[in-house]
Amino acid sequence: GAVVSQHPSRVICKSGTSVKIECRSLDFQATTMFWYRQFPKQSLMLMATSNEGSKATYEQGVEKDKFLINHASLTLSTLTVTSAHPEDSSFYICSARDRDGGWETQYFGPGTRLLVL
Amino acid sequence: AQKVTQAQTEISVVEKEDVTLDCVYETRDTTYYLFWYKQPPSGELVFLIRRNSFDEQNEISGRYSWNFQKSTSSFNFTITASQVVDSAVYFCAEGDRGSTLGRLYFGRGTQLTVWP
Repeated sequence: GAVVSQHPSRVICKSGTSVKIECRSLDFQATTMFWYRQFPKQSLMLMATSNEGSKATYEQGVEKDKFLINHASLTLSTLTVTSAHPEDSSFYICSARDRDGGWETQYFGPGTRLLVL
Repeated sequence: AQKVTQAQTEISVVEKEDVTLDCVYETRDTTYYLFWYKQPPSGELVFLIRRNSFDEQNEISGRYSWNFQKSTSSFNFTITASQVVDSAVYFCAEGDRGSTLGRLYFGRGTQLTVWP
């Protein structure tokens, strides 16, 4: 089956630093990737939609200058949390839509736990 | 407006009991998909099922079964003879073509605890 990886799986950083999270589709090409954020005991909330070769589309309330998304290839999207603060601590999950599948076909990565001290 | 409602926040059962997790969805699209995911403590989402809006047949997979009722906009999930390993958070989700193609709307999740 299709596999999506995320790196790192967990990261601890100091307040004010930037953290980059990678999302890769390992055996398929993804024209679209989605970034979700999940706070403890809460649901997954879509942050942004990342399309290969174009600017990401952010959901209302998500700061595009703080959460930089780059989708430079059909297999890689990155989310950079700039100047991270403790309130950015969360579980970040990406999903990738298979270019050769229907629009409903998408696969989730294992997630990245971010802890900002 | 919330597109997916999981009214049950937490459910506790004893092993071997049957349990049903409720999901009610809302969409204006005629073509949509419904999903169930399991999220164990590790955090990784485990895909359980995808159902399209044109297929109302109930589905059974081992101890899992799903009941899709368009008339009540519900897509309920039943675990038969529950086991401790079923303990997890279960999310119902809906995807349609109304907004960003392929994005999913998740319910709040139901925390299922199965006691030995």
